[in-house]
Amino acid sequence: GESVGLHLPTLSVQEGDNSIINCAYSNSASDYFIWYKQESGKGPQFIIDIRSNMDKRQGQRVTVLLNKTVKHLSLQIAATQPGDSAVYFCAESAGGYQKVTFGTGTKLQVIP
Amino acid sequence: DSGVTQTPKHLITATGQRVTLRCSPRSGDLSVYWYQQSLDQGLQFLIQYYNGEERAKGNILERFSAQQFPDLHSELNLSSLELGDSALYFCASSPDRGSQFFGPGTRLTVL
Repeated sequence: GESVGLHLPTLSVQEGDNSIINCAYSNSASDYFIWYKQESGKGPQFIIDIRSNMDKRQGQRVTVLLNKTVKHLSLQIAATQPGDSAVYFCAESAGGYQKVTFGTGTKLQVIP
Repeated sequence: DSGVTQTPKHLITATGQRVTLRCSPRSGDLSVYWYQQSLDQGLQFLIQYYNGEERAKGNILERFSAQQFPDLHSELNLSSLELGDSALYFCASSPDRGSQFFGPGTRLTVL
């Protein structure tokens, strides 16, 4: 069949506002979750991770929230900057952080 | 700079050919992972090695193989190449239980 580009959901945010990127995961056995940022032409870059025994973890300008009941993960970026423009992937792992499954990604566009 | 290096940066070859992609992990990292990223498939996990041994396998085709050497660098071999193998191939490394650090990738174009 014809190959088409992967259609990524896009989030457009005004510079200085907070961003929230959401991710639904499927494996209830997943016990480790990671957010990655991928800028154009570069490899994914680790942002923050969280284990399943936690529901919130904060980093520098970023917060990850985990809701195991509904299998939902979110990444909050405070005071979004133009340099935050990228594709953001959530990833999940079960059983000792071995095989990692990546989500399809969300494109964040920051409007100056 | 993640500390993970990959060579070559770009590779152009023809269908039916075989290529080898190389990855050097961060100093001290024992695990190496290979991923394929294409426009219509997103980021797909291929295979993981830990200290020279295969640890986990993902959606890796039989035409593809990998190995990790005693010095911990890894190679991904792609054979009988098809047009659909054109993609970015990323290597990542991590300590046994830690975050993965990705290399800059190798862009493979099969003509």
